[in-house]
Amino acid sequence: DAKTTQPNSMESNEEEPVHLPCNHSTISGTDYIHWYRQLPSQGPEYVIHGLTSNVNNRMASLAIAEDRKSSTLILHRATLRDAAVYYCILRDLNSGGYQKVTFGIGTKLQVIP
Amino acid sequence: DGGITQSPKYLFRKEGQNVTLSCEQNLNHDAMYWYRQDPGQGLRLIYYSQIVNDFQKGDIAEGYSVSREKKESFPLTVTSAQKNPTAFYLCASSPQLGQGARETQYFGPGTRLLVL
Repeated sequence: DAKTTQPNSMESNEEEPVHLPCNHSTISGTDYIHWYRQLPSQGPEYVIHGLTSNVNNRMASLAIAEDRKSSTLILHRATLRDAAVYYCILRDLNSGGYQKVTFGIGTKLQVIP
Repeated sequence: DGGITQSPKYLFRKEGQNVTLSCEQNLNHDAMYWYRQDPGQGLRLIYYSQIVNDFQKGDIAEGYSVSREKKESFPLTVTSAQKNPTAFYLCASSPQLGQGARETQYFGPGTRLLVL
């Protein structure tokens, strides 16, 4: 399975943009890039996903490098409620049926008031 | 509101005791999953089920058992054979069987299991 690499932790000031990086140098052409986040003592929640083009939704934006070997989750204005662990994972389009989701350690984002 | 519920929020287990964690979803999802999370660690898959009456072992199934008698329910039993059960247990479901990469997993709030 293609792996992802994320920094263990990051800090951001409140109301400033946050760019969370993810490296996936062994990504295959059929891998989707998914992001989830986990608030303290809660289950993870879906944030966004994409394949090749940049994606926007109400929570965040996903910028995918042209060679797809890296991506960046962008929170446009960090709030204290965005303090969480952010996971970047890959899902293979060709898997069919169920495919195991592997959540690594992720990036712990601290938002400073 | 649709969603996934897990109960109880906290559960205490005595030595040699089996305990069952509840997971219910009203999202009409086909697939359901159980994960275990230890402090400062990622999630590890215990069991998953794609349809009713069918389930498969994940990476760390030893000491656990599941059933899937109804589409909306996927209870997990932590047996006495699981020697280190203290962890945060998360149940999830996904809507689109066979969609692979497009499927989004929806998680419950979790159950924290502690051994007395």
